[in-house]
Amino acid sequence: QVQLVQSGAEVKKPGASVKVSCKASGYTFTSYGISWVRQAPGQGLEWMGWISAYNGNTNYAQKLQGRVTMTTDTSTSTAYMELRSLRSDDTAVYYCARTQDAFDIWGQGTMVTVSS
Amino acid sequence: EIVLTQSPGTLSLSPGERATLSCRASQSVSSSYLAWYQQKPGQAPRLLIYGASSRATGIPDRFSGSGSGTDFTLTISRLEPEDFAVYYCQQYGSSPTFGQGTKVEIK
Repeated sequence: QVQLVQSGAEVKKPGASVKVSCKASGYTFTSYGISWVRQAPGQGLEWMGWISAYNGNTNYAQKLQGRVTMTTDTSTSTAYMELRSLRSDDTAVYYCARTQDAFDIWGQGTMVTVSS
Repeated sequence: EIVLTQSPGTLSLSPGERATLSCRASQSVSSSYLAWYQQKPGQAPRLLIYGASSRATGIPDRFSGSGSGTDFTLTISRLEPEDFAVYYCQQYGSSPTFGQGTKVEIK
């Protein structure tokens, strides 16, 4: 079946970087994009950006420009999201989602905790 | 950036009742690129409606979406116990944004 499986929870110190993976299966990886969405504890959903798995084109949310990089490895059907210079307000569950227009398949989420 | 405002913040209803959720955009949403998602505690969001009114695969027909331009509605015709959750609208233009969510709780 179509699914996205994300890497496990991370604990990072302020100023560090985190890289979350999202492995796709059950569909042609390069036929869709991957979006990343985060959700701080008890809060709503925040779109972080999108990457085309076909050609690697990206579109990042303005507030994260310069701190976030999204990449894909088509040989393993895996997408990655790296966030640098972590702050306490980056503590959140990070989701990847298959994207053609709407976000139709979601990963299970990866908890990233930023704490000294 | 298109700001989406959902109302009400919380809807208290009983199973079997009708739920009507509103989503208003700060500017027109192009080509009805408007979606609705359901999220239960500890779970990822689930796509319910895309293109303002098309149900996603496997979504029961008690869920329906309507609207265009700046005003959109999600209707749940008869609430089932599993429908009590938080619902988000989203516009998925070039820079997607989400509404703040409406919680549908058991009265």
